[in-house]
Amino acid sequence: NAGVTQTPKFQVLKTGQSMTLQCAQDMNHNSMYWYRQDPGMGLRLIYYSASEGTTDKGEVPNGYNVSRLNKREFSLRLESAAPSQTSVYFCASITSGRFGEQFFGPGTRLTVL
Amino acid sequence: GQQLNQSPQSMFIQEGEDVSMNCTSSSIFNTWLWYKQEPGEGPVLLIALYKAGELTSNGRLTAQFGITRKDSFLNISASIPSDVGIYFCAGQLRGTASKLTFGTGTRLQVTL
Repeated sequence: NAGVTQTPKFQVLKTGQSMTLQCAQDMNHNSMYWYRQDPGMGLRLIYYSASEGTTDKGEVPNGYNVSRLNKREFSLRLESAAPSQTSVYFCASITSGRFGEQFFGPGTRLTVL
Repeated sequence: GQQLNQSPQSMFIQEGEDVSMNCTSSSIFNTWLWYKQEPGEGPVLLIALYKAGELTSNGRLTAQFGITRKDSFLNISASIPSDVGIYFCAGQLRGTASKLTFGTGTRLQVTL
């Protein structure tokens, strides 16, 4: 069991470039989440998918799009990266019935120049 | 957005000391969780609390779900060097199924 995996681990972009962050989980979890973590601000929810086929905005969705490709995979896309999107991005998943016990991936450290 | 007030922001303690940190909010939470994050890693769940007044232990860690449902605390007894990291509280607000709100973290440093 790999748990929650994320790729890439590090990425540097120039302003205006696009990229997709990949996330996959092998725990048969229903719900998946994307967070960003900035210094001194904890984790903030960008988008989540409560179940396959559904996605909803979180606290800070502007500048991002998501795709729940199947039950295992949930990707986050930056269409036109901005320096304000420099952050560490975490994907998480949870099975139904255990509210809150989210399992996190190792993170993607993104720098936008 | 909804915020959890977590304190203290950082702690510098000696090995063997006990540690206490807490989270408070003006809103009612259904679930309280405590996570630990080490450098370069994602948060790892330490303790989950589901009922007001619940007191749960995980080794040297003990956490409680406040009676008012608006706060929680985490205690670490007899700290050791591997306790170093950032500790986050997180709560699931009533009526927001599956979504968590995170505190800003307590950075713990342990000296020998």
